[in-house]
Amino acid sequence: ETGVTQSPTHLIKTRGQQVTLRCSSQSGHNTVSWYQQALGQGPQFIFQYYREEENGRGNFPPRFSGLQFPNYSSELNVNALELDDSALYLCASSLRTGRDFTQYFGPGTRLTVL
Amino acid sequence: ELKVEQNPLFLSMQEGKNYTIYCNYSTTSDRLYWYRQDPGKSLESLFVLLSNGAVKQEGRLMASLDTKARLSTLHITAAVHDLSATYFCAVGPGDDKIIFGKGTRLHILP
Repeated sequence: ETGVTQSPTHLIKTRGQQVTLRCSSQSGHNTVSWYQQALGQGPQFIFQYYREEENGRGNFPPRFSGLQFPNYSSELNVNALELDDSALYLCASSLRTGRDFTQYFGPGTRLTVL
Repeated sequence: ELKVEQNPLFLSMQEGKNYTIYCNYSTTSDRLYWYRQDPGKSLESLFVLLSNGAVKQEGRLMASLDTKARLSTLHITAAVHDLSATYFCAVGPGDDKIIFGKGTRLHILP
């Protein structure tokens, strides 16, 4: 198992609500990326944070926002939840040195929007 | 837009057989990753391939990369039931995102 942890494990919300998901990166890693994985699909990149700044963003609307803290942990916030936001949300941490950039994934948060 | 295509998307095979999963990607990329995902679980990193001709092996799995053809393969030798999972190919075009394929769902029959 990686050292990446996520909370909560499962979450049920209703349309229009807001949600905050949390991620603690693996020790020594300075970069956190967030992905959305719909059932039966590959993960889709939401955004990445490096040294507390957004370092890239995928095709997600502004109601998806994030933060990275000085200890490199991170939050994903989603406002005005829609039914299609139901998915597994994965956090991945990495260390930006050399050429590897391998991302190590946490266990995920399963979000259900009713 | 970078696209990553895997085939097959579903593979059912007998234990003891060999097979190959193919991954094509549409634009030049610095890094090629293979991940494994068990049902209801997160993704486990298997291999990262960084240069043309790179080959890496771990147990019954071997991955290779041909950057000129924009093709990576994941070869399974003498499959065992424990290898049943979904395998994702992913490409890292820069230093941020990783673009994933749709995954190959591998089912190994005893």
